[in-house]
Amino acid sequence: DAGVIQSPRHEVTEMGQEVTLRCKPISGHDYLFWYRQTMMRGLELLIYFNNNVPIDDSGMPEDRFSAKMPNASFSTLKIQPSEPRDSAVYFCASSGAGGSTDTQYFGPGTRLTVL
Amino acid sequence: GQNIDQPTEMTATEGAIVQINCTYQTSGFNGLFWYQQHAGEAPTFLSYNVLDGLEEKGRFSSFLSRSKGYSYLLLKELQMKDSASYLCAVAYGGSQGNLIFGKGTKLSVKP
Repeated sequence: DAGVIQSPRHEVTEMGQEVTLRCKPISGHDYLFWYRQTMMRGLELLIYFNNNVPIDDSGMPEDRFSAKMPNASFSTLKIQPSEPRDSAVYFCASSGAGGSTDTQYFGPGTRLTVL
Repeated sequence: GQNIDQPTEMTATEGAIVQINCTYQTSGFNGLFWYQQHAGEAPTFLSYNVLDGLEEKGRFSSFLSRSKGYSYLLLKELQMKDSASYLCAVAYGGSQGNLIFGKGTKLSVKP
């Protein structure tokens, strides 16, 4: 079975450009999570969805970040405009009906570098 | 606010036993996870505790004390492939809840 799929795996862009990260969760999973991981701050939850509806976006750092989930098999995280401090690894994860108490399955991540 | 503390780094010898501690302060508690993350890879699930006590799964065991806000992950018969970061994560809050991760403990296993 396919796991969580993320694209691109690596992204290098210049400050001010728009960046779009993509995620396909595991089929049948109800929850989708977006995380950011840096050495300084560790793994931070940005936003999560239940049945395509955003539930908690309190971790989104600022208005430059936005996330959508138009259907059960696709989500995007957009950064516009990007800044060097956004450089990090961005993970998408999905889980079953238990939400935060259910095992999360992580995608391979997108390593973003903003110059 | 919510907080999780873990040691930053640990070193152990192949074949030995190591214990990685985690303490947490959260508004409510719904369960505690341990994830393993090899360098350059995604976190993968190791264990889940919701009740006090020890959960054993092969070479790995996880312990929880809710009254003390404390957990540990015990790794036995260490192997070189166990060199990785170990992340403690706590599910908390009502309704659909939330999840917070510790910064992880980087374990180096030496021959």
